[in-house]
Amino acid sequence: GAVVSQHPSWVICKSGTSVKIECRSLDFQATTMFWYRQFPKQSLMLMATSNEGSKATYEQGVEKDKFLINHASLTLSTLTVTSAHPEDSSFYICSAGSYEQYFGPGTRLTVT
Amino acid sequence: ELKVEQNPLFLSMQEGKNYTIYCNYSTTSDRLYWYRQDPGKSLESLFVLLSNGAVKQEGRLMASLDTKARLSTLHITAAVHDLSATYFCAVDLYGTASKLTFGTGTRLQVTL
Repeated sequence: GAVVSQHPSWVICKSGTSVKIECRSLDFQATTMFWYRQFPKQSLMLMATSNEGSKATYEQGVEKDKFLINHASLTLSTLTVTSAHPEDSSFYICSAGSYEQYFGPGTRLTVT
Repeated sequence: ELKVEQNPLFLSMQEGKNYTIYCNYSTTSDRLYWYRQDPGKSLESLFVLLSNGAVKQEGRLMASLDTKARLSTLHITAAVHDLSATYFCAVDLYGTASKLTFGTGTRLQVTL
């Protein structure tokens, strides 16, 4: 099956700093990728749709200036959490695919 | 707004027993997915259900879809400890295998 990778798998950053998370489709091209957020013991919530070569589409309630998404190529989307705060600590998961969505391994972000 | 609900939210069952997890959704859709998530991990795809009446089986798990009732079930037969995980259903509202709305999740604990 198709493989989606994420980097880093976990990151700790200080409050006020920015952190970038990469999502790559390793063996297929993806014009669209999706970013989800998951709090402990909760479900996945879609944050935004990343579109190659154009602006991302954000779900209601997600701050686009805080969660910057760039989809610069057909195999790479990045999510940058700007001016991170402890409440941004979460598990971030990306997905890509056509027939079905393949999920990356996730990135655990801890903001201290 | 699409709502996807699962029940039960938590299920503790003994090895060897059978049980069913239910996934109800609020808007018409012909495409539904089941995923497994182990603690600290991302999602593993279990089943893709693409039409009314679809039934798929893999090992001790069987999933079905009734689009008229807006209901999917995940049936566990003769549970074993290795099945302990959280199970999510996800509905593809637009039928494009892209943007997914996840259910609340069911945490399954199989005791010896």
